[in-house]
Amino acid sequence: DAGVTQSPTHLIKTRGQQVTLRCSPKSGHDTVSWYQQALGQGPQFIFQYYEEEERQRGNFPDRFSGHQFPNYSSELNVNALLLGDSALYLCASSLQGFGNTIYFGEGSWLTVV
Amino acid sequence: DQQVKQNSPSLSVQEGRISILNCDYTNSMFDYFLWYKKYPAEGPTFLISISSIKDKNEDGRFTVFLNKSAKHLSLHIVPSQPGDSAVYFCAASRMNRDDKIIFGKGTRLHILP
Repeated sequence: DAGVTQSPTHLIKTRGQQVTLRCSPKSGHDTVSWYQQALGQGPQFIFQYYEEEERQRGNFPDRFSGHQFPNYSSELNVNALLLGDSALYLCASSLQGFGNTIYFGEGSWLTVV
Repeated sequence: DQQVKQNSPSLSVQEGRISILNCDYTNSMFDYFLWYKKYPAEGPTFLISISSIKDKNEDGRFTVFLNKSAKHLSLHIVPSQPGDSAVYFCAASRMNRDDKIIFGKGTRLHILP
């Protein structure tokens, strides 16, 4: 049973650049949520995708956008990167209607220099 | 405004003793609570949950207690083992709404030999 997989695991970008992170949900799951975890903080909710639409959004600027594909996989895009975007980006999946327990991938470490 | 608070950044406990991790929440709409455990370089893993209709849920060495009137929950680990050394996140949500899950900042637990 494949768990949540994310890629890439680590990447370094320069201020002003754009980044795309990818996520495949756990087998049988149809909902993907993205979280940002800065150093010393808990995961902060970015947004949730279901049926290829953004269903909920946290307090993040429009520079953060996403997409969900028909196979339920998802991408997180961040434009005009800032130093403060350096963080661990976590993807979590769940099954709609049973969404109160989410399962995380190992995350993508983004460093902005 | 932090809706889920873990006021102890770290906790050290002797192996074999009880570890008690505390969490407070402010939003009275929350009715489902979770604990996640995170090792370095890994994503958070689901540990145990409790809905507001219960005041206790037990799973092996892990027990979560919920005090709704105080808006407080705690995670008890008995007996504590070296492999329990990790960061523990308390999280809260609204039951059966596929609502976003809000996390606390985490408590780092050290199990001493």
